[in-house]
Amino acid sequence: EIVLTQSPGTLSLSPGESAALSCRASQSVTSNYLAWYQQKPGQAPRLLIYGASNRAAGIPDRFSGSGSGTDFILTISRLEPEDFAVYYCQQYGNSPRYSFGQGTNLEI
Amino acid sequence: EEQLLESGGGVVRPGGSLRLSCAASRFTFNTYTMSWVRQAPGKGLEWVSNIGDSGVITYYRDSVKGRFTITRDNSKNTLYLQMNNLRAEDTAIYYCARILNGYFEYWGQGTLVSVSS
Repeated sequence: EIVLTQSPGTLSLSPGESAALSCRASQSVTSNYLAWYQQKPGQAPRLLIYGASNRAAGIPDRFSGSGSGTDFILTISRLEPEDFAVYYCQQYGNSPRYSFGQGTNLEI
Repeated sequence: EEQLLESGGGVVRPGGSLRLSCAASRFTFNTYTMSWVRQAPGKGLEWVSNIGDSGVITYYRDSVKGRFTITRDNSKNTLYLQMNNLRAEDTAIYYCARILNGYFEYWGQGTLVSVSS
């Protein structure tokens, strides 16, 4: 199983700043099959990014994904109050043995 | 907009059974692989099971293999998860999700399963 390690565990920032969230895989992710999700308290996760760098429908362009192989980054520029949430990465290159990272809590 | 609505969660004793349902609407259900993903209280996300569009192909994580069964009824646009011999560690919110090329494109709001004596 591919283990995904996210860092930092908690990131404290202010609205207007930029955030960089890391996701590191224990082995190379096939074809950069890496997705990012946002989850707010009491809500289901929401897809943000797929294929490492493709924004899902309706996702603002301040969200961007990058990386390849074992190292991936989710960047959120110009943080808005509604962006403070928990973010998860997920690999699907080892389908269907999907795995998620443990999450990064982005807090104000 | 695509919609997924789970039901069937509740409190059950260890060793008991529950059947979860997920009603899909506003998309062509029988053309998508579907999945169950769970989240223990205060914890992260964990993939549980997948089923192909026709219902023939299924996959499970090792910890639920032999205890959980995923099925679908394409005539009713409904996904199911039969959970037997439940354990305390199965306590979680269970989400159904639509899969596209391996990532979870749409999620339901989840149903809570609590296994406790």
